Amino acid sequence: DTAVSQTPKYLVTQMGNDKSIKCEQNLGHDTMYWYKQDSKKFLKIMFSYNNKELIINETVPNRFSPKSPDKAHLNLHINSLELGDSAVYFCASSQGVTINNEQFFGPGTRLTVL
Amino acid sequence: AQSVTQPDIHITVSEGASLELRCNYSYGATPYLFWYVQSPGQGLQLLLKYFSGDTLVQGIKGFEAEFKRSQSSFNLRKPSVHWSDAAEYFCALNNNDMRFGAGTRLTVKP
Repeated sequence: DTAVSQTPKYLVTQMGNDKSIKCEQNLGHDTMYWYKQDSKKFLKIMFSYNNKELIINETVPNRFSPKSPDKAHLNLHINSLELGDSAVYFCASSQGVTINNEQFFGPGTRLTVL
Repeated sequence: AQSVTQPDIHITVSEGASLELRCNYSYGATPYLFWYVQSPGQGLQLLLKYFSGDTLVQGIKGFEAEFKRSQSSFNLRKPSVHWSDAAEYFCALNNNDMRFGAGTRLTVKP
């Protein structure tokens, strides 16, 4: 069974469009995350949700909005897409927010903005 | 401020040779350190982690890492590399949010 899944795996779209990436985890975790991996493979956290509450919001443009309908899902909505949004986006989950908790990652969504 | 540095962007080793990937961290207290591996087109998989206790930690796939506080390092090692180990390796430090190093890409020569 897939622990953390993301859809779609690939997303190609035009500048200015609005798109969403979905994430689901079946591990029973209560904390979920979104990371952005740029073209140089650098991974940076974007958001973290614990029990449906936002607990981290790094300096991410407000065009990006995470939405968590329940503990098992954390979707990422992106408005007015820009070229610089092209990256691989990873969802992750963990049990709790304590710093020794392992994070389990999804397979990633490669977003290409043309 | 906490940070993680992986000095080597790309390393090439021959199959069967030993491997050491370097990781240095900057953090004031006891760090919680992780090594993840990312195979091409895949997500990240945890290899091992260090919280406290024995400074030599064993992980999956024959990997180990040694925590050295005096050197602020947490280097990843494997005695004999297999072709399937070719991937991107990330060191990370967790203090309320996970901070990743820039990654080291490992190429394995036949």
